[in-house]
Amino acid sequence: NAGVTQTPKFQVLKTGQSMTLQCAQDMNHEYMSWYRQDPGMGLRLIHYSVGAGITDQGEVPNGYNVSRSTTEDFPLRLLSAAPSQTSVYFCASRGQSSGNTIYFGEGSWLTVV
Amino acid sequence: AQSVTQLGSHVSVSEGALVLLRCNYSSSVPPYLFWYVQYPNQGLQLLLKYTSAATLVKGINGFEAEFKKSETSFHLTKPSAHMSDAAEYFCAVSEPEYGNKLVFGAGTILRVKS
Repeated sequence: NAGVTQTPKFQVLKTGQSMTLQCAQDMNHEYMSWYRQDPGMGLRLIHYSVGAGITDQGEVPNGYNVSRSTTEDFPLRLLSAAPSQTSVYFCASRGQSSGNTIYFGEGSWLTVV
Repeated sequence: AQSVTQLGSHVSVSEGALVLLRCNYSSSVPPYLFWYVQYPNQGLQLLLKYTSAATLVKGINGFEAEFKKSETSFHLTKPSAHMSDAAEYFCAVSEPEYGNKLVFGAGTILRVKS
């Protein structure tokens, strides 16, 4: 029972590099989302998806792209990393089977130098 | 629009003392409310949730929270703190009209002194 799986757990990038944070869930959840966590600011929603082929922007979408080609996967792409994107990133999912409870991955620690 | 305010970014209690973490929300309709706990270098774990059933909600690890509509509050309590309760706690709100997206408070770091 894997739940929500994020990779990589740790990553260091140089400014301007691109990378993709992977997120997969095995609970057949319709709703998936990405948050970033910064000290003193809680978790802020970056992008979310209510089903395959459907994505929308959250509170802080700039600098990030997402796609949802399958129900299971929801990758987050940084096209040109900036130091301001140094953060901890959490993927989350929710479905009819979980009611209103959102389940989180273990987090991805990203440092942009 | 939804918002969540957690009073006190840091709370310190002695082992065995009452834990009280404060959360106030703004919402135009009865919301769903959640408390999550995050231990160092880990993800978020659901402690408890309110979804319009009983106003006093019991969660894991001896925590409970009471929904008070008149005060727009959802404070988290535990009668007796344990050292293992030291963590960061997040209150969150979601509303169906916003697609049940979670809006988080800034978090409260709980320190338990021996």
